[in-house]
Amino acid sequence: DAGITQSPRYKITETGRQVTLMCHQTWSHSYMFWYRQDLGHGLRLIYYSAAADITDKGEVPDGYVVSRSKTENFPLTLESATRSQTSVYFCASSDPGQGTRAFFGQGTRLTVV
Amino acid sequence: DQQVKQNSPSLSVQEGRISILNCDYTNSMFDYFLWYKKYPAEGPTFLISISSIKDKNEDGRFTVFLNKSAKHLSLHIVPSQPGDSAVYFCAASSMEYGNKLVFGAGTILRVKS
Repeated sequence: DAGITQSPRYKITETGRQVTLMCHQTWSHSYMFWYRQDLGHGLRLIYYSAAADITDKGEVPDGYVVSRSKTENFPLTLESATRSQTSVYFCASSDPGQGTRAFFGQGTRLTVV
Repeated sequence: DQQVKQNSPSLSVQEGRISILNCDYTNSMFDYFLWYKKYPAEGPTFLISISSIKDKNEDGRFTVFLNKSAKHLSLHIVPSQPGDSAVYFCAASSMEYGNKLVFGAGTILRVKS
């Protein structure tokens, strides 16, 4: 199906473990983003990518790593998970031809215990 | 410091009445504003947007008003329906910052039947 998909939808991990959240889009949008949603903070930008092999930090990048070797994939890795990284993570994509309107995945709920 | 603020965490409205959701921003470089709607366990979905060259944009029951001098925008939903119950996020962007969106904390709208 066309669109933007995230996996897994739910994940429980232990403190200190590495975990990777996957994001795949089928529109060939040049921009991709990772946001986290926390109560009282709305959606905060973690990392974004303007094109394959081009990534940049957002508002809250500490503890996260991204890569973008292919236009359609934008994985987010927590190198050593902490409890403060318990959150709902959303991947999004957009294309400059459509302005800044972004399309979001369904989210990954991550719990770090 | 939050650049986009939604000062009302929640709003309760009777079915058929008007819902007014407010949003303030501090960065005068923002030139495009969007509203997203989010249901539980789903990703945010685009609702309506407005460019800084306009002061109003209408789409069916949804109207967004922009007051640039006050750095304020509002979303009007008329008439409100129970299916409108969701979290509404205000977002802003600027050509200077590429395709990144800056979000507010969100407002929970409850439409009572």
